[in-house]
Amino acid sequence: AQRVTQPEKLLSVFKGAPVELKCNYSYSGSPELFWYVQYSRQRLQLLLRHISRESIKGFTADLNKGETSFHLKKPFAQEEDSAMYYCALGLTGNQFYFGTGTSLTVIP
Amino acid sequence: GAGVSQSPRYKVAKRGQDVALRCDPISGHVSLFWYQQALGQGPEFLTYFQNEAQLDKSGLPSDRFFAERPEGSVSTLKIQRTQQEDSAVYLCASSSPGVPATDTQYFGPGTRLTVL
Repeated sequence: AQRVTQPEKLLSVFKGAPVELKCNYSYSGSPELFWYVQYSRQRLQLLLRHISRESIKGFTADLNKGETSFHLKKPFAQEEDSAMYYCALGLTGNQFYFGTGTSLTVIP
Repeated sequence: GAGVSQSPRYKVAKRGQDVALRCDPISGHVSLFWYQQALGQGPEFLTYFQNEAQLDKSGLPSDRFFAERPEGSVSTLKIQRTQQEDSAVYLCASSSPGVPATDTQYFGPGTRLTVL
């Protein structure tokens, strides 16, 4: 069963427009949720995690347990935000599940 | 300091050959993960080590896949009798001591395996 769902494989927005990358998870316990990003020709790296409740590069994500969602948002997209974004779920113990990713393109 | 390194970066194997993929984690990192990423998919968990102990290998797709980390540092993922469906990018990640599920994982560049 898919633990993490990212419904959009591709997302394009204009520079300066708001952006939201959707993530839904399936887990009945207390989840640990993350967003990882992969810029062109770079390795996968952590963008933010819900326990930190911080904003990184203008991005925020709020865990909504009722909707089992962890959507990533930014009010004003920048060209340098173009990248592949992965939502990930860490379970108690060791297993880690990634979504299939959303490719974000910010149009100048 | 250096990040996670993996070698080789690219590997082409004929079907039926054995391959060995190496991961050098960040020095001092206790936890080490292996993932398989097929084209157009997200990384899929294969196995997890805490020091030299392989605590979880539930994601290994078959008994042709074997991973080890004998001294708690470098890890090797071995695939025996490779099949075309094994073609993927194999990612290694390490994290510092802590609860693995909540720690930041630092990823290597991956090894792209192509099985002909």
